[in-house]
Amino acid sequence: KAGVTQTPRYLIKTRGQQVTLSCSPISGHRSVSWYQQTPGQGLQFLFEYFSETQRNKGNFPGRFSGRQFSNSRSEMNVSTLELGDSALYLCASSLPNSSVSSGANVLTFGAGSRLTVL
Amino acid sequence: GQQLNQSPQSMFIQEGEDVSMNCTSSSIFNTWLWYKQDPGEGPVLLIALYKAGELTSNGRLTAQFGITRKDSFLNISASIPSDVGIYFCAGHMDSNYQLIWGAGTKLIIKP
Repeated sequence: KAGVTQTPRYLIKTRGQQVTLSCSPISGHRSVSWYQQTPGQGLQFLFEYFSETQRNKGNFPGRFSGRQFSNSRSEMNVSTLELGDSALYLCASSLPNSSVSSGANVLTFGAGSRLTVL
Repeated sequence: GQQLNQSPQSMFIQEGEDVSMNCTSSSIFNTWLWYKQDPGEGPVLLIALYKAGELTSNGRLTAQFGITRKDSFLNISASIPSDVGIYFCAGHMDSNYQLIWGAGTKLIIKP
């Protein structure tokens, strides 16, 4: 069973540019979450998508956006890049769980996309 | 927002030593998860806990869901070099789909 695939693994951009990162979840997983991880920092939640709808959103500026396609694949976009956007961006997928009372969505993470902004 | 207090922030230990780390919260959680992240990789699930008081093992790792539902503990016995990495706790409350994460415990094994 293929894991969560993120592309690209590494990329370098300059300030002001925009970037799109891609995530292919595990087959059958319909929820996709995105996290930002900066050096020495924990996991900062960006947003979560379920059935092509953003279900949860973290505390990030509007430059960070995402979407999910009908096949559950997801993309996130960062516009007008800043130096502080340099980070490891992690995608995680989980099984369908539309009920808040049915237990946690156990997340399976991809290896991440490491973005460097110069 | 909600936060988990994870401690210690980092640990320097000798190979063969036992390791303990914990996460606490002022809120009640229904699920506790423990993940490990190796350098340059995404976190990998180690143990999932779903009931208060539950004690679960995965090889040399043992985790417990606190009876107050506000804390969880992870123990690693007889540490080996491949145990180095960052360990994260995460919790889930019924009131929110989103997992709440601790800041991580960095485990370093002294040569």
